[in-house]
Amino acid sequence: QVHLQESGPGLVKPSGTLSLTCVVSSGSISVSNWWSWVRQPPGKGLEWIGEIYHSGSTNYNPSLKSRVTISVDKSKNQLSLKLNSVTAADTAVYYCARDLEARGFFDYWGQGTLVTVSS
Amino acid sequence: DIVMAQSPDSLAVSLGERATINCKSSQSVLYSSTNKNYLAWYQQKPGQPPKLLIYWASIRESGVPDRFSGSGSGTDFTLTISSLQAEDVAVYYCQQYYSTPRTFGQGTKVEIK
Repeated sequence: QVHLQESGPGLVKPSGTLSLTCVVSSGSISVSNWWSWVRQPPGKGLEWIGEIYHSGSTNYNPSLKSRVTISVDKSKNQLSLKLNSVTAADTAVYYCARDLEARGFFDYWGQGTLVTVSS
Repeated sequence: DIVMAQSPDSLAVSLGERATINCKSSQSVLYSSTNKNYLAWYQQKPGQPPKLLIYWASIRESGVPDRFSGSGSGTDFTLTISSLQAEDVAVYYCQQYYSTPRTFGQGTKVEIK
């Protein structure tokens, strides 16, 4: 049973950088899976941010591409998300999720972490 | 981007009755070389992450009750709950994985009438 756990600051100032990590337990990050970040503004729907393979290959949502960096640390079995120049519109619950064998859908999700952008 | 549109936005169904949720994609998500529809369904309860129910448009994820079924092809898909239970109250999302960016429908809220 794969377990994903997101962590990071719950409050970020406008124009600052949002930084989150997702630790993968009970399974190696270095297998044939892609790992995604998905966010959900309070009371709203789901938005895919981007994904990473253990080799470091990435794909990003064009709507966020200029502000997003996703990276992987195989030694710590974790992935990270950085989103810069944040505004209130970036306030959301941020989830990490597994895409098993690059099939494209998400079979395991973390519990999510709420990040609020406010001064 | 492929736009996913769900209908209705919400529905109220009596316990034991059928609930039907529709999902329409702005372009076909049927990949001709595999003859598979790149469409998944998720259930999300308050305060929880989404849970995978259905993938390849009609394959139930392990452990998902058989009252949940998916159908459709090309651009039009349906999630059916054959006999609504109290624990099925949730928001349901469709997602296409035919191309990146992965995109989701806006969600359909299912309640008890």
